[in-house]
Amino acid sequence: EAGVTQSPTHLIKTRGQQATLRCSPISGHTSVYWYQQALGLGLQFLLWYDEGEERNRGNFPPRFSGRQFPNYSSELNVNALELEDSALYLCASSVGQSSYNEQFFGPGTRLTVL
Amino acid sequence: GESVGLHLPTLSVQEGDNSIINCAYSNSASDYFIWYKQESGKGPQFIIDIRSNMDKRQGQRVTVLLNKTVKHLSLQIAATQPGDSAVYFCAENSKRSYIPTFGRGTSLIVHP
Repeated sequence: EAGVTQSPTHLIKTRGQQATLRCSPISGHTSVYWYQQALGLGLQFLLWYDEGEERNRGNFPPRFSGRQFPNYSSELNVNALELEDSALYLCASSVGQSSYNEQFFGPGTRLTVL
Repeated sequence: GESVGLHLPTLSVQEGDNSIINCAYSNSASDYFIWYKQESGKGPQFIIDIRSNMDKRQGQRVTVLLNKTVKHLSLQIAATQPGDSAVYFCAENSKRSYIPTFGRGTSLIVHP
């Protein structure tokens, strides 16, 4: 069974540009979570989607947005990129809405903002 | 030990030793805890979990201990191997939240 996949692996942008990151969850998983992992820091929660709806968002500005498609894949968009947006962006999926459902992580997209 | 700035706490051990990685959590309402392992260039991988109605749970070569009184979680790795070298994160969650809170992580370095 394929795991969570993310694309691209690496993304280089300049300040002010927009970035789009993509995630495909494990087959059968309806929940997708996005996290930002800056160098040396833990995972910071960005967004949670379930059944196509945004269920929760972390403490990030509105220029971080996303969506979930009918096939449960998801997109994270970051507008007006800033240097401090440089980080590893991780996507995770789980079976559904439960605090006790294990989250399975993808390999991440390394975003570098120059 | 504690670290400052961008440096993660680091634990260095010799191959074959037992390792203990500690984690303090903050939310007394948390009732579900998970340990993840993150190898360089990869996403976090689930190792073991524990619910608050337990104080110990064992897996293959790993044991998680939960002390709710002092809000402390530990991961014990027996007979540590070079392949165990990675960053280890604890995460806490509760019935009221579907979003786990992750700790900063501890870097485990295993010397052959």
